[in-house]
Amino acid sequence: EAQVTQNPRYLITVTGKKLTVTCSQNMNHEYMSWYRQDPGLGLRQIYYSMNVEVTDKGDVPEGYKVSRKEKRNFPLILESPSPNQTSLYFCASRGLAGGTNEKLFFGSGTQLSVL
Amino acid sequence: QQPVQSPQAVILREGEDAVINCSSSKALYSVHWYRQKHGEAPVFLMILLKGGEQKGHEKISASFNEKKQQSSLYLTASQLSYSGTYFCGTERPGGYQKVTFGTGTKLQVIP
Repeated sequence: EAQVTQNPRYLITVTGKKLTVTCSQNMNHEYMSWYRQDPGLGLRQIYYSMNVEVTDKGDVPEGYKVSRKEKRNFPLILESPSPNQTSLYFCASRGLAGGTNEKLFFGSGTQLSVL
Repeated sequence: QQPVQSPQAVILREGEDAVINCSSSKALYSVHWYRQKHGEAPVFLMILLKGGEQKGHEKISASFNEKKQQSSLYLTASQLSYSGTYFCGTERPGGYQKVTFGTGTKLQVIP
């Protein structure tokens, strides 16, 4: 089954404790992206990646890091989480081989709370 | 820059129609539409490409006016299952497939 797998589904942590949210897709997609969702602000892009070792900042990259060492994986790293990073996070992937008319596949989301 | 969606929220009775608008200040290559139920991942509805035709999906259809950088989503004879938050996502020409989402339109369909 084609899917994007995010882990964990829920995460509670404390300020300053490094954490990683994993994202993996099984569709051989080139494009992967992270979004955060906050009430009234919609989905805002954090980082995206066009392919292995190719990443770029989205609209709200401050406080986050990503890496794309393998095509299937795109982890989101919070080196020193702060309470303003409490949010619902979504990973998404998209195939580019067929052109730009490919839809985004979303993971099930990670609800992060930073105390 | 996020596209602007309107209205922010709408309440419909079953069977009524609704239109959700999405506009951008920049030239667009494509517009995506997704629906999200509370606490779940967004679900794809359709993509409209520059120069493409109006798309349809069951009783939900959309149009894309590339000259005005606007798209509209049409929900006809709404059903309870249409409730959720609708997001448009825009893609710019030469934008490296980056999709930027609007702030969403919350739709509630009541009996």
